[in-house]
Amino acid sequence: ETGVTQTPRHLVMGMTNKKSLKCEQHLGHNAMYWYKQSAKKPLELMFVYSLEERVENNSVPSRFSPECPNSSHLFLHLHTLQPEDSALYLCASSQVAGGLPGELFFGEGSRLTVL
Amino acid sequence: KNEVEQSPQNLTAQEGEFITINCSYSVGISALHWLQQHPGGGIVSLFMLSSGKKKHGRLIATINIQEKHSSLHITASHPRDSAVYICAVRSGTYKYIFGTGTRLKVLA
Repeated sequence: ETGVTQTPRHLVMGMTNKKSLKCEQHLGHNAMYWYKQSAKKPLELMFVYSLEERVENNSVPSRFSPECPNSSHLFLHLHTLQPEDSALYLCASSQVAGGLPGELFFGEGSRLTVL
Repeated sequence: KNEVEQSPQNLTAQEGEFITINCSYSVGISALHWLQQHPGGGIVSLFMLSSGKKKHGRLIATINIQEKHSSLHITASHPRDSAVYICAVRSGTYKYIFGTGTRLKVLA
């Protein structure tokens, strides 16, 4: 139990569906992240929210839309995805102090399959 | 060439063996993470270090900033240590660059 909870753990969707991934952290951290992990590739940063403001947007297609309503919750809204978007999506959180983020705490991931 | 390189990519060991996983990087960093990922996908942070050496139980992590190299050692390895070990460097405020991981299998 890392203190970061992701739902759903598995999601299968068609290319025309709209779905959302949810992440909740119980660690009191002030920064939250979405990462994508494709097969045989390193983790790729998608978005970072610090103090509920988006501070990084790593050239992610607009079919992925993040939302951070408060410092404990992070969503990734998905629409009109492509089969190549099938991957493990990992949420993480950290505490930012002195302008730098500390240790990353990850959730279990949401495995997405796009048909 | 990746900015973070890990070796070996795959490693099989017998229970009880001493294991070393290496990480070399080519960018300036402010910190380095060692992470463990189990087959289910979840990732656990093992160490975050910016200099010297850290120890936690049977795990030891070292970093040499001048040589841009870090090692993760596992003493008295056990089958439950079987996982993918990932090195990640913090190269910007929120930017982490991840290695592709070392897949470790420890046989009983």
